[in-house]
Amino acid sequence: DQQVKQNSPSLSVQEGRISILNCDYTNSMFDYFLWYKKYPAEGPTFLISISSIKDKNEDGRFTVFLNKSAKHLSLHIVPSQPGDSAVYFCAAPNQGGKLIFGQGTELSVKP
Amino acid sequence: EAGVAQSPRYKIIEKRQSVAFWCNPISGHATLYWYQQILGQGPKLLIQFQNNGVVDDSQLPKDRFSAERLKGVDSTLKIQPAKLEDSAVYLCASSHGFEGSYEQYFGPGTRLTVT
Repeated sequence: DQQVKQNSPSLSVQEGRISILNCDYTNSMFDYFLWYKKYPAEGPTFLISISSIKDKNEDGRFTVFLNKSAKHLSLHIVPSQPGDSAVYFCAAPNQGGKLIFGQGTELSVKP
Repeated sequence: EAGVAQSPRYKIIEKRQSVAFWCNPISGHATLYWYQQILGQGPKLLIQFQNNGVVDDSQLPKDRFSAERLKGVDSTLKIQPAKLEDSAVYLCASSHGFEGSYEQYFGPGTRLTVT
């Protein structure tokens, strides 16, 4: 049972444009969401999070939007830079605090 | 602040052999996690420790996997005997363990290849 889903395995964007990475979830009990970024041969690093009491959280070039009624969140990166090329995971903690991860989306930002 | 340390970074073994991975979490972090990440998938939790006690090991294949956390600090994950499907990256993560704090800090991982 895949409770957190990232249906796009890859995304290619031109440098300077907006990157939009999507994530859907099925468990309506999830009330907090995190995005992680992973470079090859490195562990995931925390990027940004959002609580379910908000519908938007912004940190520099990164903004996460949450649509609770649609059980959908998205990560916007603008402007995209070549250094943003990585695999992005969305995750949500279950009631025990265990993080449930999506499958990841590989973002490629081309110069 | 030093990050989560893991060793080895890479390991190649034959099926039915045994292997062990080591993790040193961030100093002061009470909670330690071991994840398995198969290519093309997100990390999947194998086991979670709070100090030196197990909180969740529901996804750990206990017939072949074992883990311990010595004195609530370092941890080792062992596979014995290994199967081909165990080929994956094994990630260790740690967190403060405070109520409502969900951010976890990951180590670089150990890439295991079972041939």
